[in-house]
Amino acid sequence: DAGVIQSPRHEVTEMGQEVTLRCKPISGHNSLFWYRQTMMRGLELLIYFNNNVPIDDSGMPEDRFSAKMPNASFSTLKIQPSEPRDSAVYFCASSLDYGGTGAGSEQYFGPGTRLTVT
Amino acid sequence: QKEVEQDPGPLSVPEGAIVSLNCTYSNSAFQYFMWYRQYSRKGPELLMYTYSSGNKEDGRFTAQVDKSSKYISLFIRDSQPSDSATYLCAMRLSGGYNKLIFGAGTRLAVHP
Repeated sequence: DAGVIQSPRHEVTEMGQEVTLRCKPISGHNSLFWYRQTMMRGLELLIYFNNNVPIDDSGMPEDRFSAKMPNASFSTLKIQPSEPRDSAVYFCASSLDYGGTGAGSEQYFGPGTRLTVT
Repeated sequence: QKEVEQDPGPLSVPEGAIVSLNCTYSNSAFQYFMWYRQYSRKGPELLMYTYSSGNKEDGRFTAQVDKSSKYISLFIRDSQPSDSATYLCAMRLSGGYNKLIFGAGTRLAVHP
């Protein structure tokens, strides 16, 4: 298996522009997680989906951030408009989760997207 | 106060040393405890996974959980330069979805 695939790997954009990050989870996994990592705040969970349904988006910083999962093999995280403080590494992770039963497998992380907003 | 506290380091040790990494947590309902290793410019990868209290050993790595003290540890014996990475503890509840709460991560450097 190719693992979790993220694109782009690097993104440099100007303040005010729209940014879209993409993720393809591991085939067969039913949970998908978006994280943001910075030196100051560490690894923060932004949102996670189970069976394509958003379960918890309490970590999404503000309305400028939105995430979708139109099908089991694709998810996007969009920032509009972007700001310099959004500069971070964004990770996508996936796992096999038995939805609310407490049984969940290892989360597999993608390589991340390094976002720089100037 | 954060739910999971972890000293960010950095921690620098000579090759062959025993390394001790630790996390404390505040939510007594956490039941699953994990250690992830993250190399520079890579995503985290699972290193050790423990359920409830006790010890678990895997090669040079030992994970310990003390639920009474809300304290978990990772020991690395005979540390190698290839162990140089950031180590993140993570934990989750026994029920609900597979949502992990991560510590800040401790940066470890093992020098030859």
